[in-house]
Amino acid sequence: DVKVTQSSRYLVKRTGEKVFLECVQDMDHENMFWYRQDPGLGLRLIYFSYDVKMKEKGDIPEGYSVSREKKERFSLILESASTNQTSMYLCASSLTPWTSGYEQYFGPGTRLTVT
Amino acid sequence: AQSVTQPDIHITVSEGASLELRCNYSYGATPYLFWYVQSPGQGLQLLLKYFSGDTLVQGIKGFEAEFKRSQSSFNLRKPSVHWSDAAEYFCAVGYTGGFKTIFGAGTRLFVKA
Repeated sequence: DVKVTQSSRYLVKRTGEKVFLECVQDMDHENMFWYRQDPGLGLRLIYFSYDVKMKEKGDIPEGYSVSREKKERFSLILESASTNQTSMYLCASSLTPWTSGYEQYFGPGTRLTVT
Repeated sequence: AQSVTQPDIHITVSEGASLELRCNYSYGATPYLFWYVQSPGQGLQLLLKYFSGDTLVQGIKGFEAEFKRSQSSFNLRKPSVHWSDAAEYFCAVGYTGGFKTIFGAGTRLFVKA
């Protein structure tokens, strides 16, 4: 079974802190994604990576950056956390680059609260 | 621009009753279509997907969905709902040549005894 793990289930940070969210997948998938999930808005794509060190902005990249130094690991970075970044963050992976025709496998999510 | 609409924010059904969750998409060509389920505190899990061929697709947990091109719809159905089906359901659309999957806002299903 594909497994996507996220480093924390719950995280509380202060405004202005630098925050790292880590995601690891164990199925050698090419694509990895970071989404944020907010009630009534569904999932919104923050960043996407199709290979090591390669990334593409999603719909809401402002205030975020990402890092993919190894194929299995994709990190989301909040450079200076703000209260409007309080949300559920979901990581996902899928098999084949540059196509949305494959299912995504999701981690359990990290609920981040910024105070 | 591509979009996905799930008209119902939440639905309540009785255990044992049938279920239909609606999904409409906006896209010019044949899309890739997915339904995912999210149980409380969990990530999303794929229920079923449609790429081509038979427009009625079967998924896990007794769910099925029908692609209707003329209506730009991909509704999810289950003939008899179980209490464990209470969750949030997301319709999603991918498209040829794109890397991004677009998710609907979700429909939360409540099951009453």
